[in-house]
Amino acid sequence: SAVISQKPSRDICQRGTSLTIQCQVDSQVTMMFWYRQQPGQSLTLIATANQGSEATYESGFVIDKFPISRPNLTFSTLTVSNMSPEDSSIYLCSVARDLNTGELFFGEGSRLTVL
Amino acid sequence: AQTVTQSQPEMSVQEAETVTLSCTYDTSENNYYLFWYKQPPSRQMILVIRQEAYKQQNATENRFSVNFQKAAKSFSLKISDSQLGDTAMYFCAFMRPYTGNQFYFGTGTSLTVIP
Repeated sequence: SAVISQKPSRDICQRGTSLTIQCQVDSQVTMMFWYRQQPGQSLTLIATANQGSEATYESGFVIDKFPISRPNLTFSTLTVSNMSPEDSSIYLCSVARDLNTGELFFGEGSRLTVL
Repeated sequence: AQTVTQSQPEMSVQEAETVTLSCTYDTSENNYYLFWYKQPPSRQMILVIRQEAYKQQNATENRFSVNFQKAAKSFSLKISDSQLGDTAMYFCAFMRPYTGNQFYFGTGTSLTVIP
């Protein structure tokens, strides 16, 4: 298993501001991902956080809106920039430790509310 | 693109009874993995059970078992002897290996176990 800590666990933000979410894993992992879970909906992959290089974004997500850092194999950040109420969501950090099993481990999520 | 469909947004079951959650998926791949994840209220998502497509035998984990029908692209989850702690959102997920472990999630089924 993997212990994943996300901060903040929840926040209320004003329109137009930016918020950075941190994800810390208890050991080195190969792959880290950022997901969004909008109210009542499923998980949507935002991007794969690549260590030492730019993140790989999924269709519909861009670096200017969701800049991601991954300075090492245990830590990543996701910034939600210039927030609007549509960005209100749960943001989940997840990791894959073993590419052969494919199992994902999730953090507890960061619940953002944008007013 | 792969799609995962969960046609039951909400379900309920009496404690100690058995319930089956449905999941279908669409893919042209022959090698892939299927998962059921559980997300309890305000808690982090955890893996319930995992199935490799090349294995004909249905996966089982204690009270949880799957009915994997590859030709029909169906992957249902059976929960036996339901317990109050089984109350949660259940997500079916599809993963293509060796592609950055890209996961595709269904929209989820909210299961309530009634005492």
